[in-house]
Amino acid sequence: EAGVTQFPSHSVIEKGQTVTLRCDPISGHDNLYWYRRVMGKEIKFLLHFVKESKQDESGMPNNRFLAERTGGTYSTLKVQPAELEDSGVYFCASSQVTYTGELFFGEGSRLTVL
Amino acid sequence: QKEVEQNSGPLSVPEGAIASLNCTYSDRGSQSFFWYRQYSGKSPELIMFIYSNGDKEDGRFTAQLNKASQYVSLLIRDSQPSDSATYLCAVPPGGTSYGKLTFGQGTILTVHP
Repeated sequence: EAGVTQFPSHSVIEKGQTVTLRCDPISGHDNLYWYRRVMGKEIKFLLHFVKESKQDESGMPNNRFLAERTGGTYSTLKVQPAELEDSGVYFCASSQVTYTGELFFGEGSRLTVL
Repeated sequence: QKEVEQNSGPLSVPEGAIASLNCTYSDRGSQSFFWYRQYSGKSPELIMFIYSNGDKEDGRFTAQLNKASQYVSLLIRDSQPSDSATYLCAVPPGGTSYGKLTFGQGTILTVHP
């Protein structure tokens, strides 16, 4: 069974540019989460989808971040325009059950904003 | 005070020793606690979870929970070099088992031969 896959593994962009990160959860997992770890800080929650619906987006830092999950399958996280402080590793995780902390994480997409 | 705090380490132990990783949390309503292991450049991987006070054992791993002291720990017995990784303590919002986890900063463990 394929795990959670994320693309790209590493992206380097200039400040002001746009980047789109993609996550493919484990097949059949209705719950999809985005987390972020910036340098020297803890991994922090960004948002949670149940199927195609945003269940909780309280962790999204500002309106430069847009997450979508079309058809309840894969998800994208767009940062537009990117700022220096957006640099970090963006993790996607999925779970079959909603009320569980047992998440399956992807390896992350490292974003570097110059 | 951070919501979830771990001894930042790094923690270095010899092969065969017991590694003790500690975590404290601030939300008294927290009911479930998770330990994730992350190898460098890899995804966090769940290794243990605990809901009840006391000890929970799984192979060489033992999770210990003391809700009165708001303290959870992970013991790794007979530590192996392959256990060298960052260990993350994670706690859902108080009173839930929800996947919106609050992570500690992680403890880097090195097991040397």
